[in-house]
Amino acid sequence: ENGLTQSPVTLSLSPGERATLSCRASQSVSSYLAWYQQKPGQAPRLLIYDASNRATGIPARFSGSGSGTDFTLTISSLEPEDFAVYYCQQRSNWPPSYTFGQGTKLEIK
Amino acid sequence: EVQLLESGGGLVQPGGSLRLSCAASNFTFSIYAMTWVRQAPGKGLEWVSTIIGSGGSTYYADFVKGRFTISRDNPKNTLYLQMNSLRAEDTAVYYCAKENWGSFDLWGRGTLVTVSS
Repeated sequence: ENGLTQSPVTLSLSPGERATLSCRASQSVSSYLAWYQQKPGQAPRLLIYDASNRATGIPARFSGSGSGTDFTLTISSLEPEDFAVYYCQQRSNWPPSYTFGQGTKLEIK
Repeated sequence: EVQLLESGGGLVQPGGSLRLSCAASNFTFSIYAMTWVRQAPGKGLEWVSTIIGSGGSTYYADFVKGRFTISRDNPKNTLYLQMNSLRAEDTAVYYCAKENWGSFDLWGRGTLVTVSS
């Protein structure tokens, strides 16, 4: 199984600051690397798919990058509504299976 | 509005069974793989099972193999998860999600399953 490790576990920043979240895979990942945002009591929301493509309706301050085993989600200037938990996710091709990272909690400093 | 709506959660005793449903609306349900993802209280997301659009192939996480069965009724635009031999560690919010090229671009609001005596 291709595990995903996210860092840091918790990130404390202020509105307006830049956030950089990391996701590292234990084996090289195909292009199926996604990022989700989850707020308390809500379902996850897709932010980024295929490592660097923003999902429909996602603001341009969210960007994804990386390849192979190292991936990054960047939020260029934090808005108050961005404080949430973020998960990365990958799909293994065969047999199809899906793995989520353990999450990074982005909290207000 | 495209939407997924889960139902069927509740309190069940260890060893019991439960059937979850997920009603899809306003998209072509039959062409998309569908997935169940769960989240234990205070924990992260965990993939449970996926079924392809036709229903012809299904995939399961190791921890549910032989206990859970995913299925779908395309004419009814509905996804199911039959859960048998439930354990305390199956307690979680269960989400259904629509897969789109390896990621999940539409999620339901979830249904809570509590396994307890």
